[in-house]
Amino acid sequence: DGGITQSPKYLFRKEGQNVTLSCEQNLNHDAMYWYRQDPGQGLRLIYYSQIVNDFQKGDIAEGYSVSREKKESFPLTVTSAQKNPTAFYLCASSGSANTGELFFGEGSRLTVL
Amino acid sequence: SQQGEEDPQALSIQEGENATMNCSYKTSINNLQWYRQNSGRGLVHLILIRSNEREKHSGRLRVTLDTSKKSSSLLITASRAADTASYFCATGRGAQKLVFGQGTRLTINP
Repeated sequence: DGGITQSPKYLFRKEGQNVTLSCEQNLNHDAMYWYRQDPGQGLRLIYYSQIVNDFQKGDIAEGYSVSREKKESFPLTVTSAQKNPTAFYLCASSGSANTGELFFGEGSRLTVL
Repeated sequence: SQQGEEDPQALSIQEGENATMNCSYKTSINNLQWYRQNSGRGLVHLILIRSNEREKHSGRLRVTLDTSKKSSSLLITASRAADTASYFCATGRGAQKLVFGQGTRLTINP
């Protein structure tokens, strides 16, 4: 079935460690996105990519990094520079920048111990 | 930057009743979308309404858009327990500029 797969679903990290969250899609979508969601809050855009080998910062990019080497994959690294990384991370893709409809993965919950 | 603001923040109704949620936004938009999120899950797209449309239906969902008031409403008719979720509006000019509100938590009581 077509969709977006995020892994891992749960991740624990010690302070000072970098972690990488995986996002893979088989929808043949050009655009991919990473959002952060804190409890009881809406989604905030971290990074987005409209095409392979290109990506742009969103509203809260500090302390995060991404790569887009393949159309299907858009991994997010949460670095030790991110001051408050505990959150729910959502990856999404879009087949049309004009309509803007997003397809989401099931999310990855990161907890810093 | 927060574009869409949902109202109310939480809503609890009895099964079978209708649920109405509202969204207000600040700047001009190309379209407005509504998403549903079950607890601990990803978001699911429900419906998109373009800036030149005033009303749109999809099954038990009815969305209205008033660009003069910069507001939208989502009506869920004949609610079911499975409708319990958070509902978000998202506004923007294309996917890369999509901005989400903080959501309305809807609880359907049996």
